[in-house]
Amino acid sequence: GAGVSQSPRYKVAKRGQDVALRCDPISGHVSLFWYQQALGQGPEFLTYFQNEAQLDKSGLPSDRFFAERPEGSVSTLKIQRTQQEDSAVYLCASGLWSPMIERTDTQYFGPGTRLTVL
Amino acid sequence: GNSVTQMEGPVTLSEEAFLTINCTYTATGYPSLFWYVQYPGEGLQLLLKATKADDKGSNKGFEATYRKETTSFHLEKGSVQVSDSAVYFCARGTGRRALTFGSGTRLQVQP
Repeated sequence: GAGVSQSPRYKVAKRGQDVALRCDPISGHVSLFWYQQALGQGPEFLTYFQNEAQLDKSGLPSDRFFAERPEGSVSTLKIQRTQQEDSAVYLCASGLWSPMIERTDTQYFGPGTRLTVL
Repeated sequence: GNSVTQMEGPVTLSEEAFLTINCTYTATGYPSLFWYVQYPGEGLQLLLKATKADDKGSNKGFEATYRKETTSFHLEKGSVQVSDSAVYFCARGTGRRALTFGSGTRLQVQP
C-alpha cells in the first residue's frame, strides 16, 4: 500500500503486560514519528527517528517506553509493564526530510493502534 | 513555549453554512502551520498547510491564512457539507521535527 500502516489496530492488555506496536512507514521516508493521542485530545509527540537514528525521545513519558527502528524502515514502539494511564491511540507518522528548511516536510499519519489496558 | 489553542467543539452547523474554526499559536520563530482532519474511523489526514507569514493554504474549499501579527491560522469554508463532519486539528511545526497539536474541534454538519 502507499500509506503508513500500523499493527495491530486494536490491542487489549492486562496491567503489567508488555506490548509491541508496529509501524510501516511510506517507502523512502527518512523521518518517522510516534505520537500518543488520549481520548478527546490532540496527538502528543513521543519520539522521532531519522533513518535508524533516534534523534529525539524527549516525549517518552517514562523509561517503560522504548522505540526502535533498526534498519531505518519499520519501527516498533514497546511499552513494558503497561499501566492504565497508557491507554490511548498510538499514532505513527512518516515524512521526507527537507534539507532546505532543515525539517520534515508534511507528516503522513497511519490509522493508529488503540491500546486499552485493563 | 510551543502551544496551539483552538476553539472547543462541537461545532454544529447546517449544510451550506459558513465555517470558522479559530486557532492561535505561541510564536517562537516562524513555524510551519497545518490543519489536519480526522474523519470517523480514519487516521489523520493533512488538509492544508502554510509555511510562512501571509501564506494562504487551501484544499477542498477550506482555507487558512498564516497571520503572524495575530499568531493565528483560522480555518474557514464558505459552504460546508455533511461529508465535512469530522474532527479538525490545528498544528504547528516545533523545532526541526515534531508537530504540536491543538486539542481538536469536532464539526457536525446537519442536512
